[in-house]
This record gives sequence, C-alpha cells and structure tokens, in this order.
Amino acid sequence: DVQLTQSPSTLSASLGDRVTITCRASQTIANSLAWYQQKSGKAPKLLIYKASTLESGVPSRFGGSGSGTQFTLTISSLQPDDFATYYCQHYSTYTVTFGPGTKVEI
Amino acid sequence: EVQLVESGGGLVQPGGSLRLSCAASGFTFSSHWMHWVRQAPGKGLVWVSRIDHDGGSRTYADSVEGRFTISRDNAKNVLYLEMNSVRADDTSVYYCTRGGDGSFDQWGQGTLVTVSS
Repeated sequence: DVQLTQSPSTLSASLGDRVTITCRASQTIANSLAWYQQKSGKAPKLLIYKASTLESGVPSRFGGSGSGTQFTLTISSLQPDDFATYYCQHYSTYTVTFGPGTKVEI
Repeated sequence: EVQLVESGGGLVQPGGSLRLSCAASGFTFSSHWMHWVRQAPGKGLVWVSRIDHDGGSRTYADSVEGRFTISRDNAKNVLYLEMNSVRADDTSVYYCTRGGDGSFDQWGQGTLVTVSS
C-alpha cells in the first residue's frame, strides 16, 4: 500500500505569508493526489484534486503541484480563514490513503 | 444543493453493533461511488470503506474488514455502514463522502460513534 508523509507536521506562519506543505508518497502515484482543509469540529473540504486542479469555489491563492512521489500545496498569501489542518490523500483501485496532516497556526 | 446527512451514531458497548446512515440529496446518488471516512478524537482522517454505483463492488480498510459492511439503497438515496463487533479503537466521527475524480468532493457533517462500557 502507498504511504503518505507530510512535512512539516505543524507550521507557524503570519498573515500574508507564502506557505508550502509537502506530501511524499512511498511509491510513484502519478498525479493521483488530493488536498483537503479541515477546521476544528468541521468536515474536511476538498481544495485540490489530480495534484494541481483547483476545486470549484476554492480561492486562487491555493495551488497544488507535483507528480510521482513528491507534491506540494502552496498558499500564496495566508489569510485568517486559512488557519486549519491540511491533509493530502491518494486514491487507488484498491484503497485510499490520507497523510497525517499539517496544522497551520499563527 | 448537495447534502449528505449522517445519522445513527451514539454510545455502543464493546462487541456491540450499530448502523450508520447517510441521506443524500441534491445530486444523482446512483451515479457516484460513496465512501465512509472516520476520524478519532484529535487524530487524522482514515478511510474506512467504499461502494460502487450499484453496490456490486465494495472495499474495506484492513482494520474493519469482516466487521463492517457498507451498503446503499439507490431508490432511497441512502448509504449505510453496518458496524459489528465494535472495539474501543472504532471510536471516531464517521463521515459519509462522495467519490469524485480520485477525491472526495462532498462530505457530510459527521456522526460520532463512541465505543465504551
């Protein structure tokens, strides 16, 4: 099974900062990767799918890149609404795997 | 508007059973794969199970294989998760999610299952 790791596990940032979160897969997964944002007590929200496609309605300050085994989620200018935990996720024919999460805090 | 509304969570004793439901509306339910994802208190997201459009294909995480059963009723637009032989480590918020293009594009609000004596 594919394993996903995320770095960092916690990220301290300020409003307006450019933020980058990395997700690494234990084996090549082409572009089969999605990113989610989850706020405390709420359901996750899809941000990016197929590694770089922005989900409808998601602000353009969010961007995804990468393929193979290394992927990044970038927030170009951190806004107050962006303080949350972010998860990467891989979907295959056989199973689904989530990364452990990255908490973005002030 | 797409809506997924879970119900059926609660307190259950170890070894007991529970059935979760997810009522779907605002989209063609029978056209989508559906999934259950859970999250233990303070922990990350864990995929539990998925079912294809008509229920002909079902897949489970190793941790629930043989104990949980996913099913759907396309006439009623409802997804189910039958949970048997529950354990303390099954304690989680359970989310119903809609399968999209390799991702989960719609989520319910979740239902909490607590396994405790």
